[in-house]
Formats: sequence, structure tokens, C-alpha cells
Amino acid sequence: QKEVEQNSGPLSVPEGAIASLNCTYSDRGSQSFFWYRQYSGKSPELIMFIYSNGDKEDGRFTAQLNKASQYVSLLIRDSQPSDSATYLCAVPYGGGTASKLTFGTGTRLQVTL
Amino acid sequence: DVKVTQSSRYLVKRTGEKVFLECVQDMDHENMFWYRQDPGLGLRLIYFSYDVKMKEKGDIPEGYSVSREKKERFSLILESASTNQTSMYLCATRTGNGYTFGSGTRLTVV
Repeated sequence: QKEVEQNSGPLSVPEGAIASLNCTYSDRGSQSFFWYRQYSGKSPELIMFIYSNGDKEDGRFTAQLNKASQYVSLLIRDSQPSDSATYLCAVPYGGGTASKLTFGTGTRLQVTL
Repeated sequence: DVKVTQSSRYLVKRTGEKVFLECVQDMDHENMFWYRQDPGLGLRLIYFSYDVKMKEKGDIPEGYSVSREKKERFSLILESASTNQTSMYLCATRTGNGYTFGSGTRLTVV
């Protein structure tokens, strides 16, 4: 099984600030990366995916991928209290029809007023 | 958008009972998955299926089995429930990008 590592947090940021969440992965051959948000008591929901090196932006969210260093980051600009949740990084392993996601344990983000 | 429905939101079962957790998706996707989620351990893959009657073990299959008789339905079976199977169980289907999860079943075994 491939490993995905995240700092469990909590990461506390004030409202309006930038939250930076990091994830490292062990399989140098990994090609795609996913960020999920999970509110307490709810199931994970996909917020971003990234395939290539560099940045991908979607609204207030930016995913950054550095394959050479084997890490992927999620930046949340203008953080809101509604962003308070656990953020899960996920990396596929196995190929073709047998592809499956392995998840990090998640980073809990708290946005304070 | 695909919808993944898990039949029960909360379940309480007794030790030794046979437990069925049901999951249905509405978009004819081939790949379906069962995960359990525990504090500090994250999501761990129990079983997955990539077609009708096809299944493969995930990382923690012990004590579980699965059934997929129809493409839209993937069932997780706890053959003889034990207290260490108390957990949140999440079903997912693979979509074009990533997975879509059901709302989860919180199972308590007493």
C-alpha cells in the first residue's frame, strides 16, 4: 500500500487569512491527487483534483503539486468559518479497473472569527 | 451527478450478529468501494468491486465479505459482528474524477 501523510492539526487560522494544508506521498509514480473536505459527521466531498505539476485554481482554492519533492498542497484564500472541516488528501494506486484511492488521515482546519 | 445511497444512517447490532450494509448508486458505474473510517486511522479500504460478481480485497478485509449481484448495488457483510467493527462505514463509487461517497453508516456493535 502506498502512503499518504498529513499533519493532523488542528490548523487554526483567522477569518480572511490563507490556510495552507500539506500532504506528502510515497509513490514517486503517482500521477493524480485529490483533495476532499469532510465536515464533522458527514462524508467526504471532492473539492479539487490535480494531475500536473504547478498550480490549479478553483475559486478560493488552489492546489499545488510538486512531483520532484512528492508533496501536494491546498491553499484556501479568504478563509471562512464554513471552511472549518477536515481536509483529506488522496492518491490513487493500482492501475486501470483496479485503481483505488488511499487517503491521508486528514488535517483539521479551524477558522476563527 | 451520481447519487450514492446507503440504506442506514445509524445501526446498533449485537456481538455475533450477521450484519448487512447496503449501498446503491444510480449512474451505472463499474467501480464501487467500501471503506471504514476511525479516528486517527483515516479511511481504510475493506473491499472493492469493479464489475458485477467481481470483487477484490482491500487493506482490511478480515471479518467482512461483499456481494455484488447487480451493478448498482454493493453490499458489505459482517459475518459475525464484533465490537472492534464499531465504526463509520462509507461506500463510494468511482466517477470520472475521484470518488463520490454515500452519507455513511455509523455502526455500533454492543
